[in-house]
Amino acid sequence: EVQLVESGGGLVQPGGSLRLSCVTSGFSFIGYAMSWVRQAPGKGLQWVSSVSGSGGTTWYADSAKGRFTISRDNAKNTLYLQINSLGAEDTAVYYCAKGNRGYNWSYFDSWGQGTLVTVSS
Amino acid sequence: QSVLTQPPSVSGAPGQRVTISCAGNSSNIGAGYDVNWYQHLPGTAPKLLIYGNDNRPSGVSDRFSGSKSGTSASLAISGLQAEDESDYYCQSHDKSLRGWVFGGGTKLTVL
Repeated sequence: EVQLVESGGGLVQPGGSLRLSCVTSGFSFIGYAMSWVRQAPGKGLQWVSSVSGSGGTTWYADSAKGRFTISRDNAKNTLYLQINSLGAEDTAVYYCAKGNRGYNWSYFDSWGQGTLVTVSS
Repeated sequence: QSVLTQPPSVSGAPGQRVTISCAGNSSNIGAGYDVNWYQHLPGTAPKLLIYGNDNRPSGVSDRFSGSKSGTSASLAISGLQAEDESDYYCQSHDKSLRGWVFGGGTKLTVL
């Protein structure tokens, strides 16, 4: 059974930083692209960033470029998202999602339960 | 403002059939990229409902079906049940944005 478990969320002050983690199990981690998708309060799902199975290629939404860094440790079956210079607009539940292939993937076939990031002073 | 446009809400009585539309453009759906659909109850993990425009993952009821034509797509839910009450999202890829895009989401209410 595929399992994705996020952690690292919490209350952080504006301008602060946070690193989210997603520990996975139940599939060959290196074989699949992984992504972060977020949902702000009262809003819809928003794709944030993705990384290929090998970790060699990354993609970012315009809203994430420059402040977000996605990475993965294939030895630990873990996905990460480093977020710097946090602002109120980053307040959201952040979901870890598995792609259907390692590269040139099309959809997210498994998701975690999410971790809540709240940016407030 | 989402790149893919969905109606904010739809509703139907138990047993009825409803459809949810997803409108894109020539950079995403119209460019030939697949459309995928998710069911999501806030606070829970989103669930893949339809992939590759019209394919159901194992375990998804055949009451759910998807279609795509031109720059738009649709999700149909037949034989509505109370458990279908949820938010539904379409998703595709956008070549101009060089990323993956979602619709704004549609809240389904079962009357």
